[in-house]
Amino acid sequence: EAGVTQSPTHLIKTRGQQVTLRCSPISGHTSVYWYQQALGLGLQFLLWYDEGEERNRGNFPPRFSGRQFPNYSSELNVNALELEDSALYLCASRYRGFITGQKNGYTFGSGTRLTVV
Amino acid sequence: RKEVEQDPGPFNVPEGATVAFNCTYSNSASQSFFWYRQDCRKEPKLLMSVYSSGNEDGRFTAQLNRASQYISLLIRDSKLSDSATYLCGRGGGNKLTFGTGTQLKVEL
Repeated sequence: EAGVTQSPTHLIKTRGQQVTLRCSPISGHTSVYWYQQALGLGLQFLLWYDEGEERNRGNFPPRFSGRQFPNYSSELNVNALELEDSALYLCASRYRGFITGQKNGYTFGSGTRLTVV
Repeated sequence: RKEVEQDPGPFNVPEGATVAFNCTYSNSASQSFFWYRQDCRKEPKLLMSVYSSGNEDGRFTAQLNRASQYISLLIRDSKLSDSATYLCGRGGGNKLTFGTGTQLKVEL
């Protein structure tokens, strides 16, 4: 079974530019979560999408936005990039039910490492 | 108070030791709990979901104490390969909130 896939793996952008990050969840998972992890810091919740709708967002400015497509893949857009946006951006997916015998947690992709210069 | 708090460590332990981490949370309405392992510059990987009755997976045991609002992770017979950062996560409020992680270093 393919895991959560993210693209690109690395990205270098200039301050003020815009960036789009992509995530494909595990097949059968309808929920997608986005997190930011700056160097040396914890995982900060950005956005949650489920069934094509934004269900919750973290304490981030509106220049962080995204969407979820009918196939449950998702994009994260960041406008007007700032130096402090440099971080590892992680996408996670989850099956919203419960499957006996499995770990039933959130599965992360390997992330996109964004550097803003 | 942070939603989820962990001692950042590092915990330096000899190979073969038993080590325990605690994680406290502030929202009593929390619904689900997890332990993740994160290696340097990698994504977090799910180690265990934590259930009210406690659960065990090989050398790893997780416990949940709702009354005192903490979860714990016990690692027995530590291996060098257990060296990583251990994150606890609290599900609820339509998101999964993580602590900042506890760093474990297992030494020869």
